Amino acid sequence: DAKTTQPNSMESNEEEPVHLPCNHSTISGTDYIHWYRQLPSQGPEYVIHGLTSNVNNRMASLAIAEDRKSSTLILHRATLRDAAVYYCILRALYGGSQGNLIFGKGTKLSVKP
Amino acid sequence: ETGVTQTPRHLVMGMTNKKSLKCEQHLGHNAMYWYKQSAKKPLELMFVYNFKEQTENNSVPSRFSPECPNSSHLFLHLHTLQPEDSALYLCASSQGSFNEQFFGPGTRLTVL
Repeated sequence: DAKTTQPNSMESNEEEPVHLPCNHSTISGTDYIHWYRQLPSQGPEYVIHGLTSNVNNRMASLAIAEDRKSSTLILHRATLRDAAVYYCILRALYGGSQGNLIFGKGTKLSVKP
Repeated sequence: ETGVTQTPRHLVMGMTNKKSLKCEQHLGHNAMYWYKQSAKKPLELMFVYNFKEQTENNSVPSRFSPECPNSSHLFLHLHTLQPEDSALYLCASSQGSFNEQFFGPGTRLTVL
């Protein structure tokens, strides 16, 4: 399975933008880039996903490098409620682990008031 | 009830006990999943069910026995567990195996 590399932790100030990086140098052409987050004492929740083009939704934006070897999750204005562990996951369209979410350690985001 | 619910939320059991975890999804999804989240380890996929049929068993010991009687319910039957099985057990569902997964709040299991 293609792997991702994320910083263990990041800090942000409330109401400032946050850029969460993810490296995935071994990504294959049919791997989708998914982001989930896990708030304290909760199950993970979906944030956003993309394949090649940048994506926006009500929660965040996803910027994907042209060579697809890295991506960045952008929270435009961090709130205290955004403090969570953020997981960058490559989801294979084909192959033995097709469709499965393979979680890594993620990035623990702290938001300071 | 909405989304994915799990009961009980907390469970303490001895190594010789038999217990079951229950998951119910109210989203009309056709795929359901069990994950295990141990302290300081990433979430691990345990089982996948599509249309009530088990499609993935991620080398899980036989002391964990899943059951999916219909597309809305998923159980995890536990027997003769070990202390290292103490973890947060999360259930998820999705419409199809490639769409967004919705997770329940988890059952915090402690094996004494």
